[in-house]
Amino acid sequence: DIQMTQSPSTLSASVGDRVTITCRASQSISSWLAWYQQKPGKAPKLLIYKASSLESGVPSRFSGSGSGTEFTLTISSLQPDDFATYYCQQYNSYSLFTFGPGTKVDIK
Amino acid sequence: QITLKESGPTLVKPTQTLTLTCTFSGFSLSTSGVGVGWIRQPPGKALEWLALIYWDDDKRYSPSLKSRLTITKDTSKNQVVLTMTNMDPVDTATYYCAHSGTVTSFDYWGQGTLVTVSS
Repeated sequence: DIQMTQSPSTLSASVGDRVTITCRASQSISSWLAWYQQKPGKAPKLLIYKASSLESGVPSRFSGSGSGTEFTLTISSLQPDDFATYYCQQYNSYSLFTFGPGTKVDIK
Repeated sequence: QITLKESGPTLVKPTQTLTLTCTFSGFSLSTSGVGVGWIRQPPGKALEWLALIYWDDDKRYSPSLKSRLTITKDTSKNQVVLTMTNMDPVDTATYYCAHSGTVTSFDYWGQGTLVTVSS
């Protein structure tokens, strides 16, 4: 099975900061990676799919990059609404989907 | 507008079988490329994918839980049903169903339903 790791596990930042979260896969997944945002008590929200495609309606301050085994989610200027937990998720045709352990972004 | 909603018991006893229903609207599960999946999240923990059923009735399961899961669809009722056998307290979690329109990710999610496993 493909394993996913995320770093850091917790990130303290201020409004206006540029924030980068890294996700690594245990083997190459091409560009089959998605990013989700989850707030307490709510369902996850898709932000990025196929590593760098922005989901409709998601603010342009969110961007994704990477391929193979290393991926990043960047928030160009952190807004108050962005304090949340972020998960990466890989897709492969054998074991289908695996989520990362999550990165919590909290207020510095 | 795509919406999904999970329903089922909030409390099950150990060894019992859990049956959850996802009722959706705004899309058809007979449309090529569409899938509906189940994902769970234990309290305070990460998301875990469980199962997915495609428009063509192809079914996929998490390798670690495959022996305990069954996913089915009723296209006429716009429902997807997940059964999980031999429930254990470690299966206590919020269970979500979600729409997959891109095959590789989940773009619409239900609100989730908390299932507690306890005697």
